[in-house]
Amino acid sequence: KAGVTQTPRYLIKTRGQQVTLSCSPISGHRSVSWYQQTPGQGLQFLFEYFSETQRNKGNFPGRFSGRQFSNSRSEMNVSTLELGDSALYLCASSPGTRDTQYFGPGTRLTVL
Amino acid sequence: GENVEQHPSTLSVQEGDSAVIKCTYSDSASNYFPWYKQELGKRPQLIIDIRSNVGEKKDQRIAVTLNKTAKHFSLHITETQPEDSAVYFCAASRGTSYGKLTFGQGTILTVHP
Repeated sequence: KAGVTQTPRYLIKTRGQQVTLSCSPISGHRSVSWYQQTPGQGLQFLFEYFSETQRNKGNFPGRFSGRQFSNSRSEMNVSTLELGDSALYLCASSPGTRDTQYFGPGTRLTVL
Repeated sequence: GENVEQHPSTLSVQEGDSAVIKCTYSDSASNYFPWYKQELGKRPQLIIDIRSNVGEKKDQRIAVTLNKTAKHFSLHITETQPEDSAVYFCAASRGTSYGKLTFGQGTILTVHP
């Protein structure tokens, strides 16, 4: 099976813009989670989706949002970008909610 | 919320030695504890995980132990090899959602040939 894929792999934006990141889970996986990775804060949980429903949300401002589609693909959106949003955004998928998560390669977002 | 502390932040060993990384968690309801290895520029990859109904789990040179009473778990790597050099993250989650992981800060493991 193909692994988790994320697009785009790299993105450069300026402050105030918005961005949409995409994640395609492993075929058959219905659970998708998003994480932000930075050198200072490490890996931090953003969202968890299962069957198009958000099950959990991390401690991030409302500028961060996400959704999951009926084919389990997921997107996350960040509006009004700030310099501090520069990070590697990782998506992970699993078959169900109590299964091992497999990570994608991430999207490297740079905010100038 | 859950807090996971990981030590040490850096670990340097000689090839063939053992390496031990320790994590403590704060939420006594946590019941799932995975370990991920992340090489430079690559995605985190699961190397081993343990659930709270098990005290120890082994997979070849890698083992994880869990002490629920003390709320800590450890990763043990024996006969280390240079290719084991990477950043290792522990994590914890609770309840019915393993998709909400709280990660430790990571340990940079360097194995010298």
